[in-house]
Formats: sequence, structure tokens, C-alpha cells
Amino acid sequence: GESVGLHLPTLSVQEGDNSIINCAYSNSASDYFIWYKQESGKGPQFIIDIRSNMDKRQGQRVTVLLNKTVKHLSLQIAATQPGDSAVYFCAETIFWTNAGKSTFGDGTTLTVKP
Amino acid sequence: NAGVTQTPKFQVLKTGQSMTLQCAQDMNHNSMYWYRQDPGMGLRLIYYSASEGTTDKGEVPNGYNVSRLNKREFSLRLESAAPSQTSVYFCASSGGTYSGANVLTFGAGSRLTVL
Repeated sequence: GESVGLHLPTLSVQEGDNSIINCAYSNSASDYFIWYKQESGKGPQFIIDIRSNMDKRQGQRVTVLLNKTVKHLSLQIAATQPGDSAVYFCAETIFWTNAGKSTFGDGTTLTVKP
Repeated sequence: NAGVTQTPKFQVLKTGQSMTLQCAQDMNHNSMYWYRQDPGMGLRLIYYSASEGTTDKGEVPNGYNVSRLNKREFSLRLESAAPSQTSVYFCASSGGTYSGANVLTFGAGSRLTVL
């Protein structure tokens, strides 16, 4: 079968390396997925989103991959920098709804070593 | 623009005391939410308001009440605080039913300790 990345609560990488953060979602009806970054002492902030009609979406240094077959998404950060150190959450929701209720994953703490 | 503003940032209560967390957004968003975040865990939805005049329970509503005062303001009330309500509370808002509408904009959080 296809290999799916495990969700890890913590991830430590060297500055300049690429980071991959994994997330499994639970609701088959979810069709919109969002990654948030939470820095220490702050609220989560939007990074990138993807709808279920796409497999991949790229932003600046970040890429999100979606595998609907196994209900898995990943966030890839290229050339990780110290400023990327934070907790990263994936969230699943339904796009066409009048209230964006989101269900959040447990989060992955990314530490970037200089 | 300030975005989402929460007050207070920190609060210590004794068991049984009551308090209200205030939240206001200046982005003309339709929907507002209250989440709690406990150590090592993700965010859990307490209550939400899809639009002015409506409120609904989320995943963990017990022990809380909310008021959507107007389109800008959404308050969370603890009537009789318990130690299990020690947490960081986040208010958030989102725009509506179009592209990006379900992206949440969060406040900075309110850290509540109940002794």
C-alpha cells in the first residue's frame, strides 16, 4: 500500500533543510484544508489552504499536498529558517458553509537549529 | 486595522468566580468563534456565531455562555469558574461564504488560570 507520513508532535531540523509536517484528517466530508502557524504567545496565523479538487498547492517556500484517498495532508517548508520555529496546525472544514467551523489537529512543534 | 482584539490578556480567578472575556473584530466578518487551547493539544471549539443574532454550541460548550452583542463583538462568559477551565482562550472570526471565507483570523489569546 501507499506509504503515508506519520504525524509527529515535534520535529527538529537544521537551518536550510526542508521540513515536512504531516497531518491526518478524520471527516470524509471535509473539502477544505488550512495550515496555520502559531508562534509562542500568539494566536494561530493562516499559512496556506487547499480545496479538495486539488492535490497540491504552492506558496512562498511552502507547499501543501493533499491525499484524499488516505485522508492525509502535508506541509512542506523549503529552506527552513529560524523564524519558521513554531507550532503548526492543520484544520479541516467544509468550504460552502455559512460558518467556518474548523476541526484542528494536535499540532507539530517545529524547532529549527542554527 | 487591529484585526481581532481580546481582553483581558491574563486573568486569575478563584473557583466559583465569574468573568467575561471580550472579543471584537474590525474586519466586518460575519462569523465569530471561541476556542480553547490546552497544553500540547489543538484548539477545541467552545461556541460560535455564524452571523449576528445567532449562536451555536461547539465541541466543548459546558460551563460557558456567549453573547453576540453586534456584528463586531462576541463575548464568552464563565458563570462559575472551575480549575478545568484553566486554559488559553482564542477568539477568531471569518468572512462568510466565498473564497477564503472559512479562513480564521485569531486574536492574541487570553490566558485564564482558575485556582
